[in-house]
Amino acid sequence: KAGVTQTPRYLIKTRGQQVTLSCSPISGHRSVSWYQQTPGQGLQFLFEYFSETQRNKGNFPGRFSGRQFSNSRSEMNVSTLELGDSALYLCASSFSGSLFFGPGTRLTVL
Amino acid sequence: AQTVTQSQPEMSVQEAETVTLSCTYDTSESDYYLFWYKQPPSRQMILVIRQEAYKQQNATENRFSVNFQKAAKSFSLKISDSQLGDAAMYFCAYRRGNTGGFKTIFGAGTRLFVKA
Repeated sequence: KAGVTQTPRYLIKTRGQQVTLSCSPISGHRSVSWYQQTPGQGLQFLFEYFSETQRNKGNFPGRFSGRQFSNSRSEMNVSTLELGDSALYLCASSFSGSLFFGPGTRLTVL
Repeated sequence: AQTVTQSQPEMSVQEAETVTLSCTYDTSESDYYLFWYKQPPSRQMILVIRQEAYKQQNATENRFSVNFQKAAKSFSLKISDSQLGDAAMYFCAYRRGNTGGFKTIFGAGTRLFVKA
């Protein structure tokens, strides 16, 4: 089976812009989670989707949003980008409770 | 709230030797799962090993094994016969039982160096 794929792999944006990241889970996996990874804060949970419904949400401002489509693909959106949003954004699909991660999207906000 | 603590920011081991990475967690739940994930310099995070809290037997996966002490809320990872490819960041992680989704909480990580 193909692994979790994320696009784009690298992104450079400026403050105030918005960005959309995409994630395709492993075939058959219905749960998709998003995590933000930074050197200072480590890995922080953003949200989880299951069958197109948000099942869990982390402690992030409303600028961070996501959705899941009927084919389990997921997108996350960050509006009004801030310098502190620079991070590696990891998507993971879940099967039997274990997470399977994609390679991540490196977002740099200038 | 659940927390996961990894008290060793860095560890070093000689090739072919054994190393143990420490992890403690805090939860009031009785049904939960614990994991060790590995993130090599290429950044792709991979699952190393998983332990269900209801299982008394410690999980093992080839050279990787855990010491799960439920009462002490301790979950250490032992890597035997260390190889150069084991060099990576290791994250201990916790997830509640099967109700309520798969939100996973990670520790801060331990960077493992392997010396040739």
